[in-house]
Amino acid sequence: DTAVSQTPKYLVTQMGNDKSIKCEQNLGHDTMYWYKQDSKKFLKIMFSYNNKELIINETVPNRFSPKSPDKAHLNLHINSLELGDSAVYFCASSRALSAGGLETQYFGPGTRLLVL
Amino acid sequence: AQKITQTQPGMFVQEKEAVTLDCTYDTSDPSYGLFWYKQPSSGEMIFLIYQGSYDQQNATEGRYSLNFQKARKSANLVISASQLGDSAMYFCAMRLDKYGNKLVFGAGTILRVKS
Repeated sequence: DTAVSQTPKYLVTQMGNDKSIKCEQNLGHDTMYWYKQDSKKFLKIMFSYNNKELIINETVPNRFSPKSPDKAHLNLHINSLELGDSAVYFCASSRALSAGGLETQYFGPGTRLLVL
Repeated sequence: AQKITQTQPGMFVQEKEAVTLDCTYDTSDPSYGLFWYKQPSSGEMIFLIYQGSYDQQNATEGRYSLNFQKARKSANLVISASQLGDSAMYFCAMRLDKYGNKLVFGAGTILRVKS
């Protein structure tokens, strides 16, 4: 019973292509996130959605577009892929933040994207 | 802006011994949370432990404890009785409550447990 799942696990593609990564959580959480982990293992938030509404949008190129069809899904679409997009992309989910609460983020297994 | 620093790129520890992984943070906000995650070689991110800025006691979860020194702005992870399976990358992360549940991660520390 996977809590946060991502597909595909591996993605190898050519520069210039458009690709999507899907994320689903069955934890009943309201908030979902996308993180990027680069080759140096540095992890940085890209987006966050709460109940299908975008609440965090870091400085990310417009080629990256998240889409949340419902609160259990948050997909990431990337247009015109570049070499520098090669990284591991993690989806995560949590309950909505409440005052002083612990809203642990639970991560998916990651999608390893390689752009050639 | 919030900042997390992990000064140890890599650490070795003998099996069954305790090890401390350092984490310091920088914020002037009073309300924040500190997290530790483990990333084994298989790549997944595993939540270990959490400390809230208003928590009076240090957090503990099994063999993990968080040595929270608020005045020094440090939140070191202590792993007791190290096991071979503890070999992994460990990330410290901070959330400023005013920015919602956005986590800012440190650079990580690679821990190797020797038998």
